Amino acid sequence: DQQVKQNSPSLSVQEGRISILNCDYTNSMFDYFLWYKKYPAEGPTFLISISSIKDKNEDGRFTVFLNKSAKHLSLHIVPSQPGDSAVYFCAARGYSSYKLIFGSGTRLLVRP
Amino acid sequence: NAGVTQTPKFQVLKTGQSMTLQCAQDMNHEYMSWYRQDPGMGLRLIHYSVGAGITDQGEVPNGYNVSRSTTEDFPLRLLSAAPSQTSVYFCASSSSLLAGGMGNEQFFGPGTRLTVL
Repeated sequence: DQQVKQNSPSLSVQEGRISILNCDYTNSMFDYFLWYKKYPAEGPTFLISISSIKDKNEDGRFTVFLNKSAKHLSLHIVPSQPGDSAVYFCAARGYSSYKLIFGSGTRLLVRP
Repeated sequence: NAGVTQTPKFQVLKTGQSMTLQCAQDMNHEYMSWYRQDPGMGLRLIHYSVGAGITDQGEVPNGYNVSRSTTEDFPLRLLSAAPSQTSVYFCASSSSLLAGGMGNEQFFGPGTRLTVL
């Protein structure tokens, strides 16, 4: 029973356009949400996070939106660049918990 | 800082063999954890530790042991390898949670690719 779901295994977008990666969760106790980016043969690297007290967090080209009522979050990348091609993992944890629960990942391909 | 280091990078075992995956961090992080990554399943937590001498089970602990004798090191032991343990293993660490539960993004090592025949 996956508590964090990424229903799109892959996404392909044109360079310069917007990439939107989606994530759904089922556990209402989750309080903190993170996105990680992973290149082949490397470990995941932290990208951006959001607390449940916010509905939006922005960092340069990356914006994460949180809709608590729908238990849904999304990562927007604008504009998309070929170097953004990677697997993106959504993760969540509860308040004061170190334990991260990850989604299955979405492979993003940005076409030049 | 080297960050989080893992050895070996690759390992092939026969069923029933034992081995230890090494993980070390030089950031003085309290929290360390082990994940495995399998196709279509994301990263699943195996074991974690919130400090030296303290360990606990994650989502998929069976077949694995851990110990935390120092802040820096968190080895993962496979007691009797099985083909189902073929996976990529990642170690991660993070600092203590800030007040209110904020912060604490985890830093990951480069991974160990394990094949059990």
